[in-house]
Amino acid sequence: GAVVSQHPSWVICKSGTSVKIECRSLDFQATTMFWYRQFPKQSLMLMATSNEGSKATYEQGVEKDKFLINHASLTLSTLTVTSAHPEDSSFYICSARDRRQGREKLFFGSGTQLSVL
Amino acid sequence: GEDVEQSLFLSVREGDSSVINCTYTDSSSTYLYWYKQEPGAGLQLLTYIFSNMDMKQDQRLTVLLNKKDKHLSLRIADTQTGDSAIYFCAESPSGTYKYIFGTGTRLKVLA
Repeated sequence: GAVVSQHPSWVICKSGTSVKIECRSLDFQATTMFWYRQFPKQSLMLMATSNEGSKATYEQGVEKDKFLINHASLTLSTLTVTSAHPEDSSFYICSARDRRQGREKLFFGSGTQLSVL
Repeated sequence: GEDVEQSLFLSVREGDSSVINCTYTDSSSTYLYWYKQEPGAGLQLLTYIFSNMDMKQDQRLTVLLNKKDKHLSLRIADTQTGDSAIYFCAESPSGTYKYIFGTGTRLKVLA
């Protein structure tokens, strides 16, 4: 199946710093990628939809200035958590749609555990 | 609104069958999915079913869909300790590529 690589898998940072998370589709082109957030023992919450070459679409309640998304190429989307605070600590997961296979196939990265001190 | 619900925990003995249930609310969903998440990892697609089907079997996995009741289930035959994980159902409402995930069911397989 298709492979989505997410990096880093974990990061610890100081409060007030920014953290960038990368999501790459390794063997397919992804016009659309999605960013999710997952709190411990909870479900995934969709944060935003990242569209190649255009602005991301954010879900209600998600601050676009805090969670910057860039989808500059068909294989890479980045999520930057700006001025991170302890409440931003969470597990972030990206996913990508393989347009060759139609909408029924969505592949997930392995996730990034962010801890803000 | 959009709400996908699952029971939180399930415990079974190795070799038994596991049945994980899910209820969803958006009848327009064209596809329904089951994902597996192991600790500290991303989500692995296990199987999916198209909304005009009522059953799909894939090796040890059987998916049953009751569209009238908006009920989806995943049966794992001959459950193994390696099946211990969190299982999420998800729906994808018509006209969108968004996935709405359930609350997740933590399956524990006892040896």
